[in-house]
Amino acid sequence: DAMVIQNPRYQVTQFGKPVTLSCSQTLNHNVMYWYQQKSSQAPKLLFHYYDKDFNNEADTPDNFQSRRPNTSFCFLDIRSPGLGDAAMYLCATSSQLGLRYDNEQFFGPGTRLTVL
Amino acid sequence: AQSVSQHNHHVILSEAASLELGCNYSYGGTVNLFWYVQYPGQHLQLLLKYFSGDPLVKGIKGFEAEFIKSKFSFNLRKPSVQWSDTAEYFCAVTPNYGGSQGNLIFGKGTKLSVKP
Repeated sequence: DAMVIQNPRYQVTQFGKPVTLSCSQTLNHNVMYWYQQKSSQAPKLLFHYYDKDFNNEADTPDNFQSRRPNTSFCFLDIRSPGLGDAAMYLCATSSQLGLRYDNEQFFGPGTRLTVL
Repeated sequence: AQSVSQHNHHVILSEAASLELGCNYSYGGTVNLFWYVQYPGQHLQLLLKYFSGDPLVKGIKGFEAEFIKSKFSFNLRKPSVQWSDTAEYFCAVTPNYGGSQGNLIFGKGTKLSVKP
């Protein structure tokens, strides 16, 4: 059974055209994370939500925004995608903040974004 | 800045060979340590984790890892690999201090190819 679902799996957009990536979860977890993973690089945390509280990483560009309308869904909005934003975008969830022993992060399959 | 180093980009082994993937981290304080695996076309899954106690950690599918604090290392091992172990393996670290939000810091990953 899918637990963290990302749609679409592949997204193509044009330079400068806004794009939204979607993540949903069936785990009822409090925390949802968005990571960016460029080719041959480590996944990098962009931001996370704890319930409705949004936490941006200090080096996440302003071009990246996020929305969490309810517990199950979280969206990643890229307002003006550049060529450098082409990457795999990973969504993850955990039941609580912090990684205590029983609070591992569960990942979705990712959305591969291509910018033309 | 905290960083995680995985020494090998791509490892190729024959079935039944022994595996050891290196992971070193730069954070000087107490850390929690993880190994994630990503099978082709699938999402990141937790293999094993270390929080405290016995530095030799057993994970799923016959994997184990040893935390050596003096070497800042958390190497992943398996005595006999199978073709189905072909995947990408990511080491990740999170600081374990009061107030930590448990953000995962990933290594760049090691691709393992097992020849039948």
